[in-house]
This record gives sequence, C-alpha cells and structure tokens, in this order.
Amino acid sequence: EAGVAQSPRYKIIEKRQSVAFWCNPISGHATLYWYQQILGQGPKLLIQFQNNGVVDDSQLPKDRFSAERLKGVDSTLKIQPAKLEDSAVYLCASSLGGGQLANTGELFFGEGSRLTVL
Amino acid sequence: AQSVTQLDSQVPVFEEAPVELRCNYSSSVSVYLFWYVQYPNQGLQLLLKYLSGSTLVKGINGFEAEFNKSQTSFHLRKPTVHISDTAEYFCALHKRGNTGKLIFGQGTTLQVKP
Repeated sequence: EAGVAQSPRYKIIEKRQSVAFWCNPISGHATLYWYQQILGQGPKLLIQFQNNGVVDDSQLPKDRFSAERLKGVDSTLKIQPAKLEDSAVYLCASSLGGGQLANTGELFFGEGSRLTVL
Repeated sequence: AQSVTQLDSQVPVFEEAPVELRCNYSSSVSVYLFWYVQYPNQGLQLLLKYLSGSTLVKGINGFEAEFNKSQTSFHLRKPTVHISDTAEYFCALHKRGNTGKLIFGQGTTLQVKP
C-alpha cells in the first residue's frame, strides 16, 4: 500500500516570496491534515479536511496561509508572503476519518516538506 | 481542552540499558493515546497505540507503554536500547468519537550512546 506522498522535500525561499506544498494521501482516506513542526517542538495542526470540506482551520494564519483539497483527494498548502518564522517542516497526514468504526484516530504521515525562509 | 506533556526534552542513555520516556496527558473525556517516532529527516511513524482493554500495550521495535488512568500517564519503555533507537519520540492523544486531530507533546530526544 502506498503511503502519504509529499513534495517538494526541501525548499529555500526569501522572505515575502511564496511557496506551495503538495500532498497525496493514502487511497481511501477521507481525512487529510496539514501540520507545522517547528524545530524542537511537536507538530501543530494547521488545517484538517474531511473529504473536500474544512473541519478545523482554527490555527491556520489565514492572512498568509491557504489550503485546498479539490475533489477530496490530494491537497495543496500555500504560503504567501512567507515570513522568517514560517521556517519549519510541513507534515501532511491522512486517516480513515470519523464516523467509521475502523477510525481509531491513527494518522499516517508523509516524510514532510522542509521550508527554510531567509 | 486536551493537552499532552512530555516531561523530558532529552534522555541520554547507554546502549543496552533500559529507558523510560514519560508522558502525562490532560483530558476530561476518554481518549486514545499514541507514541510516534521520528528519525532524522523523516515523517512520524507509529510505535504503538492504546485504544482500550489491557493497559500494557506492545509496539514495534521492542517498545511498550502502560496506560495509567489514575495518574493520567502513558509512559514509553524499552528494556534494552540500541544505537538505532536514537530519534525523536512524540506522545499524542485523540479524543474518542471525534473526527478531530491528534494533539502532540513537545517531543523527547532519545540519545543512545555506545
């Protein structure tokens, strides 16, 4: 079974530039998450999708971050304009989703996209 | 609201010694508990999970954890560590019956020395 795919793995940009990250979840997983992991900290949820609808984006800095999940499959996270403090690893994860008996809350993670803002 | 606290930011240990990584949680409702491991430049991989039943949970790579409801703890243990266990370890919780997110602790760096 293919895992969660993310690209690019690494990106270096200047502040005020824009960047986009792509994620393809495990086939059949209804729920998709974007987490931000700053060095030395645990992952923090930015946004959660259930199919192509947003469930939770309470911690997404909406003045600069945006995300979409068209057709309820893959997803794109965009940052525009980037700030120095956006330097982090952006992790995409997927799960079966709520309302299903098999849903135990377990998330499956991609390898992450490391962003460096100079 | 739920929260997870990992009591040690770094745990240095010699190879073949036992290790315990501590995790306390706070929640007014029932939760599922998880331990994830993150090797350098990689994503998070599930080590083990507690859903219900026996409070002693066994995971991959010889790790185990014990759920203690009265102390709201979920400590991770391994009787004998190896150099290859050097990594970042995250404790996390998920509110039962919820479509919501995993809430993570701050992480513990396990440094296994030869």
